Amino acid sequence: EIVMTQSPATLSVSPGERATLSCWASHSIRTNVAWYQQKPGQAPRLLIYGASTRATGIPARFSGSGSGTQFTLTISSLQSEDFAIYYCQQYNNWPQFTFGPGTTVDIK
Amino acid sequence: EVPLLESGGGLVQPGGSRRLSCAASGFTFNNYGMTWVRQAPGKGLEWVSSISGDGGSTYYADSVKGRFTISRDNSKNTLFLQMNDLRVEDTAVYYCAKDPANNGYFLGYFDYWGQGSLVTVSS
Repeated sequence: EIVMTQSPATLSVSPGERATLSCWASHSIRTNVAWYQQKPGQAPRLLIYGASTRATGIPARFSGSGSGTQFTLTISSLQSEDFAIYYCQQYNNWPQFTFGPGTTVDIK
Repeated sequence: EVPLLESGGGLVQPGGSRRLSCAASGFTFNNYGMTWVRQAPGKGLEWVSSISGDGGSTYYADSVKGRFTISRDNSKNTLFLQMNDLRVEDTAVYYCAKDPANNGYFLGYFDYWGQGSLVTVSS
């Protein structure tokens, strides 16, 4: 099983600031990683797939990068609606998909 | 918008059974692989099971293998998860999710999710 880890567990950011979230895989997953946003009481929402491709309708302030075992989700200028939990997911070790434990982005 | 609407959750005693349904609309259902993902209260996301578009291929997490069965009725655009021998640790919100690959198989990530159905296993 490929284990996904994320840091930090919680990131406190002021509106308008940049947020950088990290995700690591225990083995190389090439660029087979997706990022999701989840708000309280809601289902996850796909933000990024293929490590860096934004999903349909996702604002340009969200960007992803990385390959192999290290990945980054960057939110260039946090808006109020961006405060949420963010999960990375690997889909290289198919079909044993695994998710990271999440990073909570809250208001500083 | 691609509505996915789960139903069937509720309170179940340990050792009991429950069947979840996920009604799909807005896309050609049989062209897409579908997946169940669960989330225990206050916890992260866990992949549970996936099924190909024609229903001929199914996959399970080790934690549910032999107890859960995924299936689909393409004539009714509905996905199912039959859960037997339920355990306290199966308590979670269960989401159905759509894979974006339109050949009936999987790319492996999930572009649309239902709102979830809570299953509580408790005596």
